[in-house]
Amino acid sequence: GQQVMQIPQYQHVQEGEDFTTYCNSSTTLSNIQWYKQRPGGHPVFLIQLVKSGEVKKQKRLTFQFGEAKKNSSLHITATQTTDVGTYFCAPLGGAQKLVFGQGTRLTINP
Amino acid sequence: GAGVSQTPSNKVTEKGKYVELRCDPISGHTALYWYRQSLGQGPEFLIYFQGTGAADDSGLPNDRFFAVRPEGSVSTLKIQRTERGDSAVYLCASSLMRGEQFFGPGTRLTVL
Repeated sequence: GQQVMQIPQYQHVQEGEDFTTYCNSSTTLSNIQWYKQRPGGHPVFLIQLVKSGEVKKQKRLTFQFGEAKKNSSLHITATQTTDVGTYFCAPLGGAQKLVFGQGTRLTINP
Repeated sequence: GAGVSQTPSNKVTEKGKYVELRCDPISGHTALYWYRQSLGQGPEFLIYFQGTGAADDSGLPNDRFFAVRPEGSVSTLKIQRTERGDSAVYLCASSLMRGEQFFGPGTRLTVL
């Protein structure tokens, strides 16, 4: 089945620094979704990527889907304390189920 | 409108007991999902309903776990003979089509 590996598992940055998390798969993905989970909260949808080489931006967040559709990344420019949380990538499988990676936990020093 | 709601928010039970967890999806969402999340891990798929039927139950760990959605709206996840390893946060999500899934706040299950 579709499984993804996320790196790094943890990332601690100073407020204002950039942050990037990577999501890698050994198989070609039809699409990938990204979710953010705040501490004590539930996953909240950020974006869905479908096309090879796709790049989407949401304010300070930039999402990319690799040309081979085997990897994806999320980059946050100039982090703020509100960015704290765990970021998950999750391909949507043929049976509609999301297959979550283990996530990248972002902490920020104000 | 209202989001996905789950009850109870917390459930503490003893090993061997039976529990029911309820999910009330967003009105009009035909797809409903159950996930389980252990500490420090990503959510793990359990079961997916399209309407009243379970379209994919491949994630249910064993036959102690069962879920229903009799009228295509509210769903109940049932766990028989609970074990300590069942302790986790059980998340419910709903969606319209192959897109964004809206998650509920989860039920934290603790089996003593």
